[in-house]
Amino acid sequence: RKEVEQDPGPFNVPEGATVAFNCTYSNSASQSFFWYRQDCRKEPKLLMSVYSSGNEDGRFTAQLNRASQYISLLIRDSKLSDSATYLCVVNRMDSSYKLIFGSGTRLLVRP
Amino acid sequence: DGGITQSPKYLFRKEGQNVTLSCEQNLNHDAMYWYRQDPGQGLRLIYYSQIVNDFQKGDIAEGYSVSREKKESFPLTVTSAQKNPTAFYLCASSFDRNPYEQYFGPGTRLTVT
Repeated sequence: RKEVEQDPGPFNVPEGATVAFNCTYSNSASQSFFWYRQDCRKEPKLLMSVYSSGNEDGRFTAQLNRASQYISLLIRDSKLSDSATYLCVVNRMDSSYKLIFGSGTRLLVRP
Repeated sequence: DGGITQSPKYLFRKEGQNVTLSCEQNLNHDAMYWYRQDPGQGLRLIYYSQIVNDFQKGDIAEGYSVSREKKESFPLTVTSAQKNPTAFYLCASSFDRNPYEQYFGPGTRLTVT
């Protein structure tokens, strides 16, 4: 079983739609969770951290469910510019410098 | 402008040759990292360095070497011992106090034939 699993997609949605991605992680002791965004053939960029109580940043909402070991990302009012691959990232327990990256969920927003 | 630079953007080499990828940052970050990304896979950690003159192996260090002689620079050498070197190589950096917030360079696409 992969340490971080994501549905590869693609999720193909119209502009203005609400879309949600889930990600599951295998190590129940994991403490830190993040969503990164990666545009096609570009570098990943930190989108947002995921806090236990859930957090929101504009149209983006991240939630953590420790009992079920999954993280979610909700995007409201999708824009064409949201088209990208969204990477779920979890900290490694053997070093505070190590991260585990999921293989990503691809989102396509169509006009 | 502060940031991370990687050069070159595209690199082509013949099998059996060593090649060095450049990574420079002017963010005053303490830690630096090298990752490899293959199609449909997550990023995998090759090496990381928390401080000058010190570095640790990541998950796939075999066939790679690094140095950290200056805080700003963390070059990666892909040696001929690396069996499948063709990949997208990403360098990142972070502050020591927040190692999870990593900033990435634009990457180098290496093709070995």
